[in-house]
Amino acid sequence: AQKITQTQPGMFVQEKEAVTLDCTYDTSDQSYGLFWYKQPSSGEMIFLIYQGSYDEQNATEGRYSLNFQKARKSANLVISASQLGDSAMYFCAMREANTGFQKLVFGTGTRLLVSP
Amino acid sequence: NAGVTQTPKFRILKIGQSMTLQCTQDMNHNYMYWYRQDPGMGLKLIYYSVGAGITDKGEVPNGYNVSRSTTEDFPLRLELAAPSQTSVYFCASSYSRGRGTDTQYFGPGTRLTVL
Repeated sequence: AQKITQTQPGMFVQEKEAVTLDCTYDTSDQSYGLFWYKQPSSGEMIFLIYQGSYDEQNATEGRYSLNFQKARKSANLVISASQLGDSAMYFCAMREANTGFQKLVFGTGTRLLVSP
Repeated sequence: NAGVTQTPKFRILKIGQSMTLQCTQDMNHNYMYWYRQDPGMGLKLIYYSVGAGITDKGEVPNGYNVSRSTTEDFPLRLELAAPSQTSVYFCASSYSRGRGTDTQYFGPGTRLTVL
C-alpha cells in the first residue's frame, strides 16, 4: 500500500483564492510526522510546514495551514490568498517512529497553477 | 552560510561509466540523505547517514554507494551507470534529535542523464 497518497495530479486556483491540496497517509505507528514541501519550476525543494502526530492543534505557517484529521489519516495543505508565485509542485511526506524517524517517504505530488 | 551544495548541476554519462555526485553542507547537521526524483514522481530515498562513518540503505540503493568520512560531506557514487539511473538527484541534511521533528534542507539537485 502507498504510504502517502496525493490524489490530485493538478489543481487550478485563481489569485487571492484559497486552495486545499489533499494528502492521505497509511501508517500503523502512533508516532509520526507529516511534512509539506514546495518544488517550484527551478527544482529546489522548499520546506513549508510540519505536523506531529501528537500535536493537538493544526499547524500554521503564514498563509499555509495543515488540516490534520488523524482518524481519517489525512493531512491536507491549505494555502490561503493564493499568489502567482505559489504555482509549483507540492509534495506531502511522512516520517515514522518505527523507522527511527530516519526515512522520509514522499507522495507523487500535486501541481498547482495559480492564474491571475 | 551556503546550506547544502551539490556538484555538478548537470551531467551526461554513457552506459557503464562511473561518477561521483558531491554533496556538502555547512550547517553542522548530523543527518544527510540522498534522494532521486524520476519525472512526474516524488522523491525516493537512496541512502542516508546519521553521522560520520555511519550509512544505511533507503528504498532504492541498488547501483549506488555512499561514504561519510566527515560531517560535512556525503558523496554518492554511481558504478556502471545504466539508463534507469537517469534522474534528478537531491542531497539533503537535517539536525536530528531522533524525534522526527527535524526539517530536511535540500540542495539544488543534480540532473543526470545516462545514454
